Amino acid sequence: QQQVKQSPQSLIVQKGGISIINCAYENTAFDYFPWYQQFPGKGPALLIAIRPDVSEKKEGRFTISFNKSAKQFSLHIMDSQPGDSATYFCAARKTYNNAGNMLTFGGGTRLMVKP
Amino acid sequence: DTGVSQDPRHKITKRGQNVTFRCDPISEHNRLYWYRQTLGQGPEFLTYFQNEAQLEKSRLLSDRFSAERPKGSFSTLEIQRTEQGDSAMYLCASSSPSAANYGYTFGSGTRLTVV
Repeated sequence: QQQVKQSPQSLIVQKGGISIINCAYENTAFDYFPWYQQFPGKGPALLIAIRPDVSEKKEGRFTISFNKSAKQFSLHIMDSQPGDSATYFCAARKTYNNAGNMLTFGGGTRLMVKP
Repeated sequence: DTGVSQDPRHKITKRGQNVTFRCDPISEHNRLYWYRQTLGQGPEFLTYFQNEAQLEKSRLLSDRFSAERPKGSFSTLEIQRTEQGDSAMYLCASSSPSAANYGYTFGSGTRLTVV
């Protein structure tokens, strides 16, 4: 069962444009929602994250919007640059009683920013 | 380099052989995770260690897979009697409960190809 659904699978944006990636989750036990950026041949790198009691978080050109009632969250990349071309993954964290936590990832969005 | 190190970066093996991967987490991180990522998909959780104790295991981790973290430092992931379906990127991540961002730091992964 895919607990985190991500769309679109691929996205082409002109330099300077806005890139928008959407995710939806099902499990209300998730308590933290990070976004990861992955370049070819590298592991995912944490980009920005949000707690479910916050509706928006902004860091530089990256903004997360969070809608708890709809169980949806999205990543906005403002002024997109060719260097932003990468695969982006949303994720949702579940914390266990032993204090460990597990991330469930979306399927990824391959972003290409054209010069 | 203070990041998460994984070795080897690439491994090609014949079906039926055993393989072992190593992960060296960030030294002050007591939590260590293994994930598997197939082409075009998001990473999937395999197992979690807190110090030397393996506290969570995914149903994806069949009997052919075993992970250890002796002395709570580096970790190894062994796959016995490899199958073509085991071909994937195996990612290791570490985290600390005191980390402000709660985020994992991933290594660059070990890409396994079973021929």
